Amino acid sequence: GQNIDQPTEMTATEGAIVQINCTYQTSGFNGLFWYQQHAGEAPTFLSYNVLDGLEEKGRFSSFLSRSKGYSYLLLKELQMKDSASYLCAVMDSNYQLIWGAGTKLIIKP
Amino acid sequence: TAGITQAPTSQILAAGRSMTLRCTQDMRHNAMYWYRQDLGLGLRLIHYSNTAGTTGKGEVPDGYSVSRANTDDFPLTLASAVPSQTSVYFCASSDGTGADTQYFGPGTRLTVL
Repeated sequence: GQNIDQPTEMTATEGAIVQINCTYQTSGFNGLFWYQQHAGEAPTFLSYNVLDGLEEKGRFSSFLSRSKGYSYLLLKELQMKDSASYLCAVMDSNYQLIWGAGTKLIIKP
Repeated sequence: TAGITQAPTSQILAAGRSMTLRCTQDMRHNAMYWYRQDLGLGLRLIHYSNTAGTTGKGEVPDGYSVSRANTDDFPLTLASAVPSQTSVYFCASSDGTGADTQYFGPGTRLTVL
């Protein structure tokens, strides 16, 4: 079966760094996406990785290891507005997205 | 630009009634999708359409139907609602050119009593 695992909830302090992990087992792989979803709102695109390595985009970076079925999203210089759920999704061999349940990130002052 | 719009924002529906959730995009995207999001679960694909005139079944299609008469609109119909269809429904669209990014509408919160 297809499976995406990520922690249910994480807590971090404003100004700090947090790493959200995602492991996956899917039928085929056409890339891994990270989305941000604030409570009561739609998911919004953050990053896409298809090759191994780190992709940096401002305060957010995303890493992929295809051999390990592993990705992480790194958030630096945390701000209160970063309090949200972070969704990991893998595009399978049929170009369908398989979604994790999301990690709720709580930022404390 | 509007992007993707959904209507209604929220709805309370009696079990056994029918309902159509509306979705319209103005990005000229080929592909459109309907997902449901339930607490503790990832987004689950209900139906999708790779291009106008074609539709396909996702992971959880039972009890739902869709149509894609044109590029912009992708309505989702519940023929006879049941309480297990209480959920938040998101419509999304993408270019439809392989591993492309999906963009989401604001969602419809549906409660079936």
